[in-house]
Amino acid sequence: DIVMTQSPDSLAVSLGERATITCKSSQSISYTSNNKNYLAWYQQKPGQPPKLLISWASTRASGVPDRFSGSESGPDFTLTISSLQAEDVAVYYCQQYFITPYTFGQGTKLEIK
Amino acid sequence: QVQLVQSGAEVKKPGASVNISCKASGYTFTSYGVNWVRQAPGQGLEWMGWITTRNGNTKYDQKVQGRVTMTIDTSTSTAYMELTSLKPDDTAVYYCVREGFGFMFWGQGTLVTVSS
Repeated sequence: DIVMTQSPDSLAVSLGERATITCKSSQSISYTSNNKNYLAWYQQKPGQPPKLLISWASTRASGVPDRFSGSESGPDFTLTISSLQAEDVAVYYCQQYFITPYTFGQGTKLEIK
Repeated sequence: QVQLVQSGAEVKKPGASVNISCKASGYTFTSYGVNWVRQAPGQGLEWMGWITTRNGNTKYDQKVQGRVTMTIDTSTSTAYMELTSLKPDDTAVYYCVREGFGFMFWGQGTLVTVSS
């Protein structure tokens, strides 16, 4: 199985500041034929199902504010919130959908400092 | 709009079975498969398996293989997930999720509590 490892496990950031979460996959999650990374980021608030933020490592889902962005560098993937808002307090997960079993990172809890 | 509406919360004893339904609307049911994901209290997300709505083929995670059965009823656009031989650590919220590159559409979740 592909192991997805997120860091940090928790993060406290001041309002208006940048928040950065990293996700590393234990093996490649892209095909050389299309050079696409099969990686998604989700936001989950208490009592709610996860919400898709980013697919293909860097494509924002419909309706997601542009302060959320995804990037990749080698085996590492990054979710960045450029200017933290109060409503961004949540747990964030990465997921690979390259091959089953589709696996998630352990989650990163984001709080306000 | 796409909606996935799941059946209500269940309380089961160890060794029992649970069957959760997921009724889809707002899209052509047979155009997308259905994934099942669960989340134990305070824990992360765990993919359980997937069923194609074209012909009912399934793929299950090894952790639940042998205890899980995913089925569909195309006449009612409903997917089902049965989990047998329940154990206390099967206590979780179970979600159905429409197939996609990135899981865009989720059911509201069904809490299954396994307790003696």
